[in-house]
Amino acid sequence: QTVVTQEPSLTVSPGGTVTLTCASNTGAVTSGYYPNWFQQKPGQAPRALIYSTNNKHSWTPARFSGSLLGGKAALTLSGVQPEDEAEYYCLLHLLHYGGAWVFGGGTKLTVL
Amino acid sequence: EVQLVESGGGLVKPGGSLRLSCAASGFTFSNFGMNWVRQAPGKGLEWVSSISTSTSVIYYSDSVKGRFIVSRDNAKNSLYLQMNSLRVEDTAVYYCLRGGGRDPLDYWGQGTLLTVSS
Repeated sequence: QTVVTQEPSLTVSPGGTVTLTCASNTGAVTSGYYPNWFQQKPGQAPRALIYSTNNKHSWTPARFSGSLLGGKAALTLSGVQPEDEAEYYCLLHLLHYGGAWVFGGGTKLTVL
Repeated sequence: EVQLVESGGGLVKPGGSLRLSCAASGFTFSNFGMNWVRQAPGKGLEWVSSISTSTSVIYYSDSVKGRFIVSRDNAKNSLYLQMNSLRVEDTAVYYCLRGGGRDPLDYWGQGTLLTVSS
């Protein structure tokens, strides 16, 4: 069974920088996994932030960026704002493992 | 404006069936892959199923394979999820999500709640 792992929780100060990561038990995450990142606030539907590793949607704030880091997908927030406090989920496409997409367990980001 | 509106959720007994719908507007529905994603109360997101534009490529998560059937009607701009042999653990908010394949996953609906309980 494919497992995608994220940090359960992270805390960052306003104005600071934080990196969230996304790992797969199938091995190193590459661009071929088409990493996506989503943000979800309590009581709301998720919102897409990043697709295909490092591409932003038209509504994605500039302070969010995606990359590959040490065999993992990564989401970096630079100049964190209080409104960035949310749950963040990565999603990987396991094309060579039956074609499924698999979400990570989510990272609860606290801005304090 | 892209809109995705889910409907069809409700209360069902274990072993029962239900069909969810997702009505799409504001874009050419037939040009985009579509997905179902669910979220159990207080839990994380779980991908459920994907369907390509022409229905030629369909994927399911292991947790629903053999019980759920995804379909679409491009003439009606609608996505469906037929859910059979429902279990208590299928209780969740079900979202439709646009994209997949070579297209970015971008727009989400607001979700519809399915509760499976006796």
